[in-house]
Amino acid sequence: GAVVSQHPSRVICKSGTSVKIECRSLDFQATTMFWYRQFPKQSLMLMATSNEGSKATYEQGVEKDKFLINHASLTLSTLTVTSAHPEDSSFYICSARLGLERAFFGQGTRLTVV
Amino acid sequence: GESVGLHLPTLSVQEGDNSIINCAYSNSASDYFIWYKQESGKGPQFIIDIRSNMDKRQGQRVTVLLNKTVKHLSLQIAATQPGDSAVYFCAETPNQGGKLIFGQGTELSVKP
Repeated sequence: GAVVSQHPSRVICKSGTSVKIECRSLDFQATTMFWYRQFPKQSLMLMATSNEGSKATYEQGVEKDKFLINHASLTLSTLTVTSAHPEDSSFYICSARLGLERAFFGQGTRLTVV
Repeated sequence: GESVGLHLPTLSVQEGDNSIINCAYSNSASDYFIWYKQESGKGPQFIIDIRSNMDKRQGQRVTVLLNKTVKHLSLQIAATQPGDSAVYFCAETPNQGGKLIFGQGTELSVKP
């Protein structure tokens, strides 16, 4: 199957700082990537849809100025958590869609804000 | 955000038994469905998919059943193994190529 690489896998940052998470499709081009957030023992919550060359589409309740998404190429999308706070601590997962159907997921990034 | 589950339901089975994991999806217009397996600390892993014009699809040791009348999806795992222990999510796409919305998830525990 197609490979999606997410980096870093784990990050600890101080409150008030910003953190960037990268999502790369390694062996295919992805015009659309998705960013999810997952709390322990819960499902994946879609945060935003990242479209190459255009602005991301955010889900209701997700602050676009807080979670900056950039999709500058067909193989890379980045999520920047700005001015992070402890409540932003979570598991962030990206996915890239291959064609119109199957979506492949990265390994996830565990963010801890202290 | 959409489709956030609270407190995953659990299913415990004996090794070698068959497992059935159920999912109720939300949008009657959804035309594509996927089952994912997620192990602790990892991203979801594709298991099997099915389109809305089908009601059954089989893979290796897994079968997905779709009942559009009651908006119900199930995943059957034959001869469940300890390595199958994980959280299983169903996901739906309301429109082809659109965003993937996840269901609540079920935690499968396989006892040796």
